[in-house]
Amino acid sequence: GAVVSQHPSWVICKSGTSVKIECRSLDFQATTMFWYRQFPKQSLMLMATSNEGSKATYEQGVEKDKFLINHASLTLSTLTVTSAHPEDSSFYICSARETSGRWDRDTQYFGPGTRLTVL
Amino acid sequence: AQRVTQPEKLLSVFKGAPVELKCNYSYSGSPELFWYVQYSRQRLQLLLRHISRESIKGFTADLNKGETSFHLKKPFAQEEDSAMYYCALKLDFGNEKLTFGTGTRLTIIP
Repeated sequence: GAVVSQHPSWVICKSGTSVKIECRSLDFQATTMFWYRQFPKQSLMLMATSNEGSKATYEQGVEKDKFLINHASLTLSTLTVTSAHPEDSSFYICSARETSGRWDRDTQYFGPGTRLTVL
Repeated sequence: AQRVTQPEKLLSVFKGAPVELKCNYSYSGSPELFWYVQYSRQRLQLLLRHISRESIKGFTADLNKGETSFHLKKPFAQEEDSAMYYCALKLDFGNEKLTFGTGTRLTIIP
């Protein structure tokens, strides 16, 4: 089946530094990837939609200059949290859209998530 | 704006008893509905989608447009069903974004 990986699985950084999180589709090409944020005991909130070769589309209220997204290839999207602060501490999850040519098989596959702690 | 509501944060059911996880949505168009499941220490994975009309691991869900509901049901709960369940909505065919409910933690009591 389709597998999505994320790296790192957890990261601790100092306030003011930048952190890059990678999302890879291992056995399929993904023209579209999504980045979510999940606070403890809460649901997933979509942050942005990442399209290969074009600029990401951010959801309302998400700072695009703070959460930089790059989708340079069909198997890799990166999320960079710039000048991280403690309030950015969260669980970040990516998903990749796999299409098998049939509209009813369009499925998002999720990565395992990255836990970011900003001190 | 679209919204997905899962009224129960926690649900405990005895093994062998029927399970029903509630999901209601608000959207005026024709959405596509999904149930995702997250087992302990595992990633989120698709359980079923309404357009497939499948039964996965004994679970079924019927889209009721009149009641704007997509409840997840299983006639006989099993211990391995204990997990976090999320209902999700995709607006229209061609719009890929998912809106998730807050989730229900299902615990099966042996």
